[in-house]
Amino acid sequence: DAGVIQSPRHEVTEMGQEVTLRCKPISGHNSLFWYRQTMMRGLELLIYFNNNVPIDDSGMPEDRFSAKMPNASFSTLKIQPSEPRDSAVYFCASIPKGGGLADTQYFGPGTRLTVL
Amino acid sequence: KNEVEQSPQNLTAQEGEFITINCSYSVGISALHWLQQHPGGGIVSLFMLSSGKKKHGRLIATINIQEKHSSLHITASHPRDSAVYICAAALGNTPLVFGKGTRLSVIA
Repeated sequence: DAGVIQSPRHEVTEMGQEVTLRCKPISGHNSLFWYRQTMMRGLELLIYFNNNVPIDDSGMPEDRFSAKMPNASFSTLKIQPSEPRDSAVYFCASIPKGGGLADTQYFGPGTRLTVL
Repeated sequence: KNEVEQSPQNLTAQEGEFITINCSYSVGISALHWLQQHPGGGIVSLFMLSSGKKKHGRLIATINIQEKHSSLHITASHPRDSAVYICAAALGNTPLVFGKGTRLSVIA
């Protein structure tokens, strides 16, 4: 299996632009997580889905952030408009079907976002 | 609210040294994860444990439930062990809570 796939790997954009990050979880995994990692705060959970349904989005920083999971094999995280403080590495992770939130997560390679 | 603290934040060791990274959490948990993040950025799971000890190659993870503390040990450290090591606590059916990580540099 190819593992969790994220695109793009690097994104540089200007303040005010819309940014869309993409994630393809491992086939057969039905829980998907979006994280943001910064030096100051480490890994922070933004939102997670179970069976394509958003379960907890309390970590989404503000209305500029939105996430969707239209089907079991694809999710997006959108920032509109982007701001310099959004610069971070964004990770997607998934858990196999039948697994609980305490189980091992499989991480994608991350998207490094720089907002100028 | 469960808080996860790691120590040290940064660690530099000579090749061959025995290394210990510590993780403390504030409330009872169902499982404790250790993750490794190499300079390239990818995050991989090393261990998931809820009691006792687990070993994989030169890596050993231990947990003391009563003291709410876990340690990750690396024996005969090597420069390729240089990475950020992250612990994460699982509390029932709630999302993992992550420590801020320990940055390890092993010098040849």
